[in-house]
Amino acid sequence: GEDVEQSLFLSVREGDSSVINCTYTDSSSTYLYWYKQEPGAGLQLLTYIFSNMDMKQDQRLTVLLNKKDKHLSLRIADTQTGDSAIYFCAESPRGADGLTFGKGTHLIIQP
Amino acid sequence: ETGVTQSPTHLIKTRGQQVTLRCSSQSGHNTVSWYQQALGQGPQFIFQYYREEENGRGNFPPRFSGLQFPNYSSELNVNALELDDSALYLCASSFYSRDTEAFFGQGTRLTVV
Repeated sequence: GEDVEQSLFLSVREGDSSVINCTYTDSSSTYLYWYKQEPGAGLQLLTYIFSNMDMKQDQRLTVLLNKKDKHLSLRIADTQTGDSAIYFCAESPRGADGLTFGKGTHLIIQP
Repeated sequence: ETGVTQSPTHLIKTRGQQVTLRCSSQSGHNTVSWYQQALGQGPQFIFQYYREEENGRGNFPPRFSGLQFPNYSSELNVNALELDDSALYLCASSFYSRDTEAFFGQGTRLTVV
C-alpha cells in the first residue's frame, strides 16, 4: 500500500537552513505536497510539486524531488522562530483527491 | 485564513453515541474532503464529496458517513463512537475533485470518553 515516511524531529539554529526529508512508496504519485501545522491549528499548504519536476523554489522554500529514489525534501532558508511547527509531506496520484500524509516532522528552532 | 470553517471546534462525546461535524467550504469550491488526525499522527483520508456524491473513500468503516449540500457545505457523521475515534477531524476544500490545491479548516477536536 501507499506509505510516506518522515523523520520525527529536526533541530536547527535560528538563521540556518532547515532540510526536511520525506520518502514515499507509491510510484503513481503525481502530486507531492508540503503542509505546515502549528499547535492547535489546521494544515497550511506551503508548496507542491508535480512528479515531472525536479525542483521548485518559492521565496525561502525550495522543494527537491528525486523521482528515481522516491525522495522529496523541503529546504527552508534563514530559518526563523516562526517556522517552528510540524511539517507534513503528502502525496496523491490525483491532486487534492485523497492525500496520503506522513507522520510529520517537528521542526525545533534553537536560538 | 483559508476560508474553510469547521464547527464545533471542540466536542466531548460518550462511547456509543453519534456525532455530526460540519464544514463550510471556501467560496467557489465544490469539493470537500474529510481527514482524521489522531494524536501524533498524520491526517488520514476518510472520504471526499463532489457535487453532493461520495467520490472516493479511505479505509474507514461504514459508521463514518457524510453528506454534501447544494451550497457545497458538508457534514461528517460518526455512529457508535469508539474511544479510538478521539482525534482532530479536518475538512479540506478544493475547486474540483482533482484540483491541485486543497485548503484545510482549523479542525474539530473530538474526545470520546
